[in-house]
Amino acid sequence: GAVVSQHPSRVICKSGTSVKIECRSLDFQATTMFWYRQFPKQSLMLMATSNEGSKATYEQGVEKDKFLINHASLTLSTLTVTSAHPEDSSFYICSAMDRYGYTFGSGTRLTVV
Amino acid sequence: QKEVEQNSGPLSVPEGAIASLNCTYSDRGSQSFFWYRQYSGKSPELIMSIYSNGDKEDGRFTAQLNKASQYVSLLIRDSQPSDSATYLCAVRKGNYGGSQGNLIFGKGTKLSVKP
Repeated sequence: GAVVSQHPSRVICKSGTSVKIECRSLDFQATTMFWYRQFPKQSLMLMATSNEGSKATYEQGVEKDKFLINHASLTLSTLTVTSAHPEDSSFYICSAMDRYGYTFGSGTRLTVV
Repeated sequence: QKEVEQNSGPLSVPEGAIASLNCTYSDRGSQSFFWYRQYSGKSPELIMSIYSNGDKEDGRFTAQLNKASQYVSLLIRDSQPSDSATYLCAVRKGNYGGSQGNLIFGKGTKLSVKP
């Protein structure tokens, strides 16, 4: 089946620094990638949709200047959390559409201290 | 009204029993429905997808869809302790603004299978 590789799996950063999360589709071309965030005991909330070669579409309430998304190729999408603060600590998950459905990355646990 | 609603549980069943998980959705235009299993600290993994009214069986799992009632369910037969996880119902919306094709998730139902 399709595989989406996401890393890092876990990152701890200091408040005010930036963190980049990468998602790669390993055996298919992902023209569309979805980025979700999940807080403890909550469901996955869509943050943004990225399409290869174009600007990402952000959900209402998500700061596009804080969560920078780049989808420069058909196999790579990145999410950069800029000037991270403790309230950005969460589980970030990417998902790509392939011919079988939706494939999820393994997730990134971000802790901002 | 929330777009996708699930009973948060926890739902506790004995090993070998049938676990029944339910989900309702608000958008009548929804076309695709998915059940995901999520273990603590892990990303969701797809169990089943269903697109047409009726039942769809895959091993111990049966998904049921009733579009008229806007209801989708998942039955797990012969439940095992390894089935203990949070089960997420997800619905795909039609073309909608800039979020074409994304999934809308329910909050999930936590299932506990007791040995």
